[in-house]
Amino acid sequence: EDKVVQSPLSLVVHEGDTVTLNCSYEVTNFRSLLWYKQEKKAPTFLFMLTSSGIEKKSGRLSSILDKKELFSILNITATQTGDSAVYLCAVKYGGSQGNLIFGKGTKLSVKP
Amino acid sequence: DAGVIQSPRHEVTEMGQEVTLRCKPISGHDYLFWYRQTMMRGLELLIYFNNNVPIDDSGMPEDRFSAKMPNASFSTLKIQPSEPRDSAVYFCASRSGGGTYEQYFGPGTRLTVT
Repeated sequence: EDKVVQSPLSLVVHEGDTVTLNCSYEVTNFRSLLWYKQEKKAPTFLFMLTSSGIEKKSGRLSSILDKKELFSILNITATQTGDSAVYLCAVKYGGSQGNLIFGKGTKLSVKP
Repeated sequence: DAGVIQSPRHEVTEMGQEVTLRCKPISGHDYLFWYRQTMMRGLELLIYFNNNVPIDDSGMPEDRFSAKMPNASFSTLKIQPSEPRDSAVYFCASRSGGGTYEQYFGPGTRLTVT
């Protein structure tokens, strides 16, 4: 069965801390892995990863993919209260164009 | 661009009633997706369309759910009859036919079935 597992399920840190969120997957015919940030409303796109070992970076956020070990990490440095959200990992897979499977997310709470 | 538009934003209905959720994708996007999000199951893909044609509806939970896309700018998700376990946030998303796979989500419809 295809699946995406995120860990931890929830995390509480203080401003300034660095956090690492994990996403592992087991799918047939992997195509890409996407990270989303979901605050109160709809998910917003962060990164798409297709190649192993190439870090994607946007400000204090960065992500990398390991296609051999079937996982990705999302790092957030110098966390701020505005980083509080649920971070979703999704994997595109299979032969058809639109199959995406989402993990259940990691709920990050950043305390002042 | 206004982004993906969904209506209504909130819907409260009684068990057994028909519910219709609406979505307008971003103009020019070839793909449209319907998702359901609950605390227990997370975000689940229900069905997606490519050029108005349903491609994969394997995520639709049962026959009470149906989706249509009569044209490139409009889609509906219907639940008939609705049940309390259908209570969730329903998202519509769209994307272009290019290779980024980035989907743009609408604000969601929060459905409560009592």
